[in-house]
Order: sequence, then C-alpha cells, then structure tokens
Amino acid sequence: DGGITQSPKYLFRKEGQNVTLSCEQNLNHDAMYWYRQDPGQGLRLIYYSQIVNDFQKGDIAEGYSVSREKKESFPLTVTSAQKNPTAFYLCASSIDGNPLYGYTFGSGTRLTVV
Amino acid sequence: AQTVTQSQPEMSVQEAETVTLSCTYDTSENNYYLFWYKQPPSRQMILVIRQEAYKQQNATENRFSVNFQKAAKSFSLKISDSQLGDTAMYFCAFMRDTNAGKSTFGDGTTLTVKP
Repeated sequence: DGGITQSPKYLFRKEGQNVTLSCEQNLNHDAMYWYRQDPGQGLRLIYYSQIVNDFQKGDIAEGYSVSREKKESFPLTVTSAQKNPTAFYLCASSIDGNPLYGYTFGSGTRLTVV
Repeated sequence: AQTVTQSQPEMSVQEAETVTLSCTYDTSENNYYLFWYKQPPSRQMILVIRQEAYKQQNATENRFSVNFQKAAKSFSLKISDSQLGDTAMYFCAFMRDTNAGKSTFGDGTTLTVKP
C-alpha cells in the first residue's frame, strides 16, 4: 500500500543534541512538507520541498534543517539551536504541490527533550 | 498572510445526531482551496473533505458536508449521523491556488461523540 512512513514514533533528545526524523513516501509525490504540532495549536510549517535537491523554509524554520536527495525521502534534523523542540512532528506529501488533492500525512513522530 | 480561525475548541454530540464545526478564514485571494482534516487519537491525519473556492456547490463526502460561504469567508463542516469513530480533532486548512501547496491550519476542534 502506498503511504508515508515516519520513524521513529517516539524520540528522546538530550540537551545540545541533534536528532533526525525520518520521512519516506512511496506515493511518487513530488512535494513534501514538515509540520510541527503543539498542544492546542494547529500545524505550523517548518520546511517544504517541491522537487529533489530543492527545499524552502516555512514559517518556523529556525533550529531545523532538511535535505531532499531522493524523491522518496525528506528527513528533518532538529538541531541544538532549536530551543523548544518538544512537539509532535508530521510529514506530509502532495501531488506536485497541487492543492486540489490536499495532503497525505505520515503517522507522526513525538519528540521529547529529556 | 492568511489566517484560519476555529472558534470552538471542544464540542460533543450524541451518537446518530448531527453536529456542525465552524471555521472562518481571512484572505485577499480569490482562488484557493479549503480542507477539513481529521486527527483521531492515533494522531494519523486524514483528509475528510475539500472545497475549491471557485465552485459554488458545497462539497459532500458521505456523512460529511460543508457549508461554504465565500463572501463571509466561512467554511463549516457538518457531520450527519455521528458515529463513535468520528471522535477526533478536526482541523480546517486553507491553501492558496499557487503557493507550492503550503497550508495554513486552524487550531482545531476536539469533537467527542457520546454513546
């Protein structure tokens, strides 16, 4: 079945540590997105990519980095510069960034700073 | 910048009854898309229904329908014959016609369906 796989489901980070969240899709979608979800709030866009080897900052990119070396993969690194990384992270994809179809989401990664 | 407002943080409904979730948005765009997403306790976000702003006809997907009022910038979701599986957080989202598919989300409404 086609879909988006995020791993791990739960991730714990120590202060000052970088961690990478994995997002893989087999939907042949060109566009991929990373959103952050905090309790009681909607999703906020971190980074997005419309094509391989190209990505753009979203609304809250500070302290995060991404890469898009393959169409199927869009990993997110939470760096030590991100002062409040505890949140739920959602990866999404869409066909060519075409708004008509909305997003397909992964099941998310819960990141906790310990 | 676009904003999306969901004024009802929490709602509840009895099983088999009908409930309406409200959403308003602010934009100067003429062409855009609106979505309702469902996030059940499993946290897996699922697209429920979509509406293209240039279409006057309200979208319908089985028990889910919308009331799209473009002039009022309102986009409410009606769930008919509510089922226990409808218990979830519901997010309204706005997407411009040409913006690389980036969306603006509301803060969500937690819906509880009671038996």
